[in-house]
Amino acid sequence: KQEVTQIPAALSVPEGENLVLNCSFTDSAIYNLQWFRQDPGKGLTSLLLIQSSQREQTSGRLNASLDKSSGRSTLYIAASQPGDSATYLCAINQAGTALIFGKGTTLSVSS
Amino acid sequence: NAGVTQTPKFQVLKTGQSMTLQCAQDMNHEYMSWYRQDPGMGLRLIHYSVGAGITDQGEVPNGYNVSRSTTEDFPLRLLSAAPSQTSVYFCASSTPGYTEAFFGQGTRLTVV
Repeated sequence: KQEVTQIPAALSVPEGENLVLNCSFTDSAIYNLQWFRQDPGKGLTSLLLIQSSQREQTSGRLNASLDKSSGRSTLYIAASQPGDSATYLCAINQAGTALIFGKGTTLSVSS
Repeated sequence: NAGVTQTPKFQVLKTGQSMTLQCAQDMNHEYMSWYRQDPGMGLRLIHYSVGAGITDQGEVPNGYNVSRSTTEDFPLRLLSAAPSQTSVYFCASSTPGYTEAFFGQGTRLTVV
């Protein structure tokens, strides 16, 4: 059974810092991996999608990497801003039909 | 540009009552799914569908029923509500392979 773990569970940083969120998974036979953002009381917004054949994806200040052989993905956020404060969720698409989520990392960026 | 619409946004039920959570999408997506989100547990898959007339169980299906008679709608039925079903429920729709996934705003359900 695929298990997805996100470390740390919570993170507080001052504005301007670069930071890394970690996601690990137990079964490397994945279809793709996505990083989502969730604001309090809101739904999920997809940030980056990495197909199983890709190593990384970039969008603005966000960069996500994927290492299937080691079962790891990282989300790098450059020059963090208070507006980046949210919960970040890693999700594995293993069979192509639905997503398996980690429990998330709650990020707080102080000004 | 409605995307995925869930209704209601909030609901309080008494134990034993039944209800249906509605989910509708206007993107002609084949794939739809229901998740529940509980503190400390993350999002867990309840049921999913890969097209009209096709549904399957996820990780936590007990106490819930689904059907998919149209591409647009994927309702989730609680047969006899229990306090353990107090949660926030999210509906999602996507293209095959989840290359484009969209989530609704959630339904916060409390069972007393």
